[in-house]
Amino acid sequence: DAGVTQSPTHLIKTRGQQVTLRCSPKSGHDTVSWYQQALGQGPQFIFQYYEEEERQRGNFPDRFSGHQFPNYSSELNVNALLLGDSALYLCASSLQGVEAFFGQGTRLTVV
Amino acid sequence: AQTVTQSQPEMSVQEAETVTLSCTYDTSENNYYLFWYKQPPSRQMILVIRQEAYKQQNATENRFSVNFQKAAKSFSLKISDSQLGDTAMYFCAFMKLTGGSNYKLTFGKGTLLTVNP
Repeated sequence: DAGVTQSPTHLIKTRGQQVTLRCSPKSGHDTVSWYQQALGQGPQFIFQYYEEEERQRGNFPDRFSGHQFPNYSSELNVNALLLGDSALYLCASSLQGVEAFFGQGTRLTVV
Repeated sequence: AQTVTQSQPEMSVQEAETVTLSCTYDTSENNYYLFWYKQPPSRQMILVIRQEAYKQQNATENRFSVNFQKAAKSFSLKISDSQLGDTAMYFCAFMKLTGGSNYKLTFGKGTLLTVNP
């Protein structure tokens, strides 16, 4: 079992650009959540997808959007990047349950 | 809104000794879960232990145990026989039970634990 896989592992973007991060959930999981973890902070909930719909959203602007595909994989898109968007982005999956399994994250640096 | 507070930014312990990490939370909910996650330098968040609020018995997983005080809204983690591999950031997290498929975790800011040889 490959667990939760995220790509890419590291990414450098310029202010104003757009970025897409990808997540493949653990085998058999159908729910995917995204978190932003700034340096030295705990993860902050961005949104959650289930049955290809956004089910819950945290306090993030509309520049953050996502998608879930029929195979349960998910993408996180961020438009008009700001320096403050630099962070570790974590994906977590679960099977309609409370035990979330996390990927190793994507380190995004905005310059 | 729920909040989770970890008042110890850093802690250290000698190998084989016992250490306790503190966590308090604020919620008006009655049904919820509490978690401790470990994040080593590899960055992957790993579940250490979880506690259902409706259970009075404290959860235990091998060397890890919790002291759950619901009335005080306190949820501490005790690590016994500390090992070098326990060195990591530890996050306390809260999840309210909303039903359906809504499973949002609210995290504290974390405690950096260093186990010294």
